[in-house]
Amino acid sequence: AQSVSQHNHHVILSEAASLELGCNYSYGGTVNLFWYVQYPGQHLQLLLKYFSGDPLVKGIKGFEAEFIKSKFSFNLRKPSVQWSDTAEYFCAVVTGGGNKLTFGTGTQLKVEL
Amino acid sequence: NAGVTQTPKFRVLKTGQSMTLLCAQDMNHEYMYWYRQDPGMGLRLIHYSVGEGTTAKGEVPDGYNVSRLKKQNFLLGLESAAPSQTSVYFCASRGQGESYEQYFGPGTRLTVT
Repeated sequence: AQSVSQHNHHVILSEAASLELGCNYSYGGTVNLFWYVQYPGQHLQLLLKYFSGDPLVKGIKGFEAEFIKSKFSFNLRKPSVQWSDTAEYFCAVVTGGGNKLTFGTGTQLKVEL
Repeated sequence: NAGVTQTPKFRVLKTGQSMTLLCAQDMNHEYMYWYRQDPGMGLRLIHYSVGEGTTAKGEVPDGYNVSRLKKQNFLLGLESAAPSQTSVYFCASRGQGESYEQYFGPGTRLTVT
């Protein structure tokens, strides 16, 4: 079954540091990938998604992700984080013939002032 | 539009009690989902529905039942609550087509003592 792995469980950064969160998926065919964010006490919101085309995807709030097929990766990046980026970040892949999303275990990001 | 709403927001149950969580969406979405979120485990799919009157099992369906009698509502039932069902429950919905993006509700925090 299709799955995603997020190897960084907790990340602590200072404001203005650059961010890269890892996401690897298991399937070698056509994939549709998402990054969701969950701010403290809130529900999940979509950051960005990749379906096809340009492998560099830009999302909201200055986030971007690069789809690298040869590495089965879809890493999330931001050049300069802010305190307000403190949240949990989830990578997800479309599975079940398009009916479902399978989520990674999440990465807790804490940005310190 | 309210989007996806969930009731209740919080609930405490004793072991063996039953309860029903309600999810409602006003976006005329075909697909609806119930997830549970536990620390370090990401979001795991409990049950889902691809249309009114349909339900299907997800990754962790045991101990839960669901019903989708109306297109806009998706109910999650716990017949005999167990402490292992202490979790945060999220409902999500999505429309037809290949965007696959799911829209999430605010969550229900359930504690079983």
